[in-house]
Amino acid sequence: EDQVTQSPEALRLQEGESSSLNCSYTVSGLRGLFWYRQDPGKGPEFLFTLYSAGEEKEKERLKATLTKKESFLHITAPKPEDSATYLCAVQAYSGGYQKVTFGTGTKLQVIP
Amino acid sequence: EPEVTQTPSHQVTQMGQEVILRCVPISNHLYFYWYRQILGQKVEFLVSFYNNEISEKSEIFDDQFSVERPDGSNFTLKIRSTKLEDSAMYFCASSRDQNTGELFFGEGSRLTVL
Repeated sequence: EDQVTQSPEALRLQEGESSSLNCSYTVSGLRGLFWYRQDPGKGPEFLFTLYSAGEEKEKERLKATLTKKESFLHITAPKPEDSATYLCAVQAYSGGYQKVTFGTGTKLQVIP
Repeated sequence: EPEVTQTPSHQVTQMGQEVILRCVPISNHLYFYWYRQILGQKVEFLVSFYNNEISEKSEIFDDQFSVERPDGSNFTLKIRSTKLEDSAMYFCASSRDQNTGELFFGEGSRLTVL
């Protein structure tokens, strides 16, 4: 069974204090790894797709990286508006390939 | 910017009652999904739908659940006889391509079963 584990569960940063969120995964054949942002009471919002080890994607203050076992979401000089829960998800080649399996997320709070 | 819309935003129902949650996916998307999120827990896959039939479903999606695309624009999730444990946020999502995890989610329908 596909598994996604995110750490830490919660992270509190001062504005401008860079950090990284971790996502480790176990799948039998990774089709893709995805990062989403979820604001309270809202649906997840797509951020990045990563397909193979070594791949990197960037968007504003966020950069996602991928290895064979984990992914990192690096947040550089965060601002209060970056406060949200960040979800990692995977899609596997085996079995039903349309299913996306989510982790429990990292709740990020950026303090002004 | 096109978006996925869901109604109702919140529904309260008595245990054993039928509930229908409605979604209008993005118009040029071909793949439709329902996910749910129990309060404080992770987002869980329920079902995917393509070409007017279910293409994949999870073990959560038992005989009490059904999906339908009745008129070419709406996509519905029906829970036949609700249980307390069905209380959750239900998210509809759509995508252009089955090979992408780039899902576009709606804002969700919060279901409270009393």
